[in-house]
Amino acid sequence: AQSVAQPEDQVNVAEGNPLTVKCTYSVSGNPYLFWYVQYPNRGLQFLLKYITGDNLVKGSYGFEAEFNKSQTSFHLKKPSALVSDSALYFCAVRDHQAGTALIFGKGTTLSVSS
Amino acid sequence: SQTIHQWPATLVQPVGSPLSLECTVEGTSNPNLYWYRQAAGRGLQLLFYSVGIGQISSEVPQNLSASRPQDRQFILSSKKLLLSDSGFYLCAWSGLGNYGYTFGSGTRLTVV
Repeated sequence: AQSVAQPEDQVNVAEGNPLTVKCTYSVSGNPYLFWYVQYPNRGLQFLLKYITGDNLVKGSYGFEAEFNKSQTSFHLKKPSALVSDSALYFCAVRDHQAGTALIFGKGTTLSVSS
Repeated sequence: SQTIHQWPATLVQPVGSPLSLECTVEGTSNPNLYWYRQAAGRGLQLLFYSVGIGQISSEVPQNLSASRPQDRQFILSSKKLLLSDSGFYLCAWSGLGNYGYTFGSGTRLTVV
């Protein structure tokens, strides 16, 4: 079965510093990987995805992620964090069996302090 | 353009009462549809998915059921709610060959 792991419940960074939110995956076949962000009591907003091609994927709001096949990782990064980036971040993998549903990690709360 | 509507936004229901949450998609045909639940602001659990009218697959045994009476309509139901059914419910859709997934704005269900 496909799965993703987000090893950190919370990540704290100071505004202006780089941030990394970690994600590792376990899939059979080619991984289709996604990052979403959720603000309180809101739906999920798409940030970026990796399907194929360049290992460095650029997405919305200045975020990027690097696909690393040997380490089975897809970490989310941003060079300079903003207070407004504070939210809950989800990594997800597409399940090729379950109607192509997304299978999510447990989420990582990002807190950016001013 | 494609949009997804989910309602109601919030719902407070007594234990033992029935439930019906509705999700509709516009601007596409034959979407894959999904229901997720998020408990206590954490991980998203896939509850049901549907690849066509009348085709429902359940990922976890529970007190809930789903139906797809029309191509772009997905309904989450319960005959008798439990306290443990409280949570944030999200509907989503994806298109055939489309690697994008769009989520509704969610329903906050509180069972009291």
